[in-house]
Amino acid sequence: AQSVTQPDIHITVSEGASLELRCNYSYGATPYLFWYVQSPGQGLQLLLKYFSGDTLVQGIKGFEAEFKRSQSSFNLRKPSVHWSDAAEYFCAVGPGISNFGNEKLTFGTGTRLTIIP
Amino acid sequence: DGGITQSPKYLFRKEGQNVTLSCEQNLNHDAMYWYRQDPGQGLRLIYYSQIVNDFQKGDIAEGYSVSREKKESFPLTVTSAQKNPTAFYLCASSPRRGMNTEAFFGQGTRLTVV
Repeated sequence: AQSVTQPDIHITVSEGASLELRCNYSYGATPYLFWYVQSPGQGLQLLLKYFSGDTLVQGIKGFEAEFKRSQSSFNLRKPSVHWSDAAEYFCAVGPGISNFGNEKLTFGTGTRLTIIP
Repeated sequence: DGGITQSPKYLFRKEGQNVTLSCEQNLNHDAMYWYRQDPGQGLRLIYYSQIVNDFQKGDIAEGYSVSREKKESFPLTVTSAQKNPTAFYLCASSPRRGMNTEAFFGQGTRLTVV
């Protein structure tokens, strides 16, 4: 069964500092990978996604993520955070094209990001 | 504007009552999903449907029921059999089975048992 681990429950960074949120997945084949962001009391917004090809993917709001198959990781990065980036971030894994017809997303438990001035 | 609409935003239920959460999408998406969110547990899949008149149980289906009579609608009923229904419920949809695509989310319904 597919699974996602986000080892950091809560991260605090200073405004303007760089950010890396960790995500490790477990899946038997090449997965689809996603990062979503959630503001309090709101739904989830897609930041970026990886399906195939270039392992470094660019997303919205200046975020990027790198797929590393050897490490089963898909870490999210941003070179300089803004106060508006404070939110909860979720990594998710989908079954990939090899499991057609059984699509469902599995989410990690989330990382809450706090930004300090 | 196209999107996913969940209603109501806040819902209060007395113990022992069934309650239905609405989810409507006008994106012409085939697949729809219901997730439950609790603090520190991420999102857990309750039910999902990949086509009209068909749906599958997710990881925590006990105490819940769904229907998919129309492509645009996927209501979730929280029954009295659900022992701990207080949570934030999120509905999502995605365009087509097996395609390279992501899920789009509604704004959620917060259910509180009083």
